[in-house]
Amino acid sequence: GDSVTQMEGPVTLSEEAFLTINCTYTATGYPSLFWYVQYPGEGLQLLLKATKADDKGSNKGFEATYRKETTSFHLEKGSVQVSDSAVYFCALSSGSARQLTFGSGTQLTVLP
Amino acid sequence: DTAVSQTPKYLVTQMGNDKSIKCEQNLGHDTMYWYKQDSKKFLKIMFSYNNKELIINETVPNRFSPKSPDKAHLNLHINSLELGDSAVYFCASREDRGLYNSPLHFGNGTRLTVT
Repeated sequence: GDSVTQMEGPVTLSEEAFLTINCTYTATGYPSLFWYVQYPGEGLQLLLKATKADDKGSNKGFEATYRKETTSFHLEKGSVQVSDSAVYFCALSSGSARQLTFGSGTQLTVLP
Repeated sequence: DTAVSQTPKYLVTQMGNDKSIKCEQNLGHDTMYWYKQDSKKFLKIMFSYNNKELIINETVPNRFSPKSPDKAHLNLHINSLELGDSAVYFCASREDRGLYNSPLHFGNGTRLTVT
């Protein structure tokens, strides 16, 4: 079945540091890939997505590239801010599935 | 102009009670979901409805019963609440066209605490 593996947290960075959160997946066919962000006390919000190999999703300075050869979709940001502190979820949706499969989430804390 | 709204936001109740959580979406989506998030932030799907028809029913105790009166609403009723039911419950919806490319839209969650 489909699965998503994210790097374990928590991750603590200083403001303006470079961020990478690793995400790899297992799926049949060619899934769509998503990153969601959950701020404290809120629901999950779509951060970015990519629907085919080599697509790059980007939003709010975050980027992730759909790498079919390594089955990865790593999230990156060049310079994090305190306001980026949140839990980040990688997820996939494959052709036959009527649901998203989520990774376990990575807690990010950015210190001033 | 909330897209997916859940009520209540917080729910504190005693073991053995019965409670309901309501969800409404104004996005015109055909598919709605209930997810459970535990204290470690792990998300587990519980149910999904498409146009009022149950399409996903994961291994969930039968004390949990979803009800969809129309495609814009998906409520969750829980009987005989147990301590282990304490969690945050999220409602979500999704556009049916191009389904597997479509993202989920989440509500802000209902934090259930069973004492």
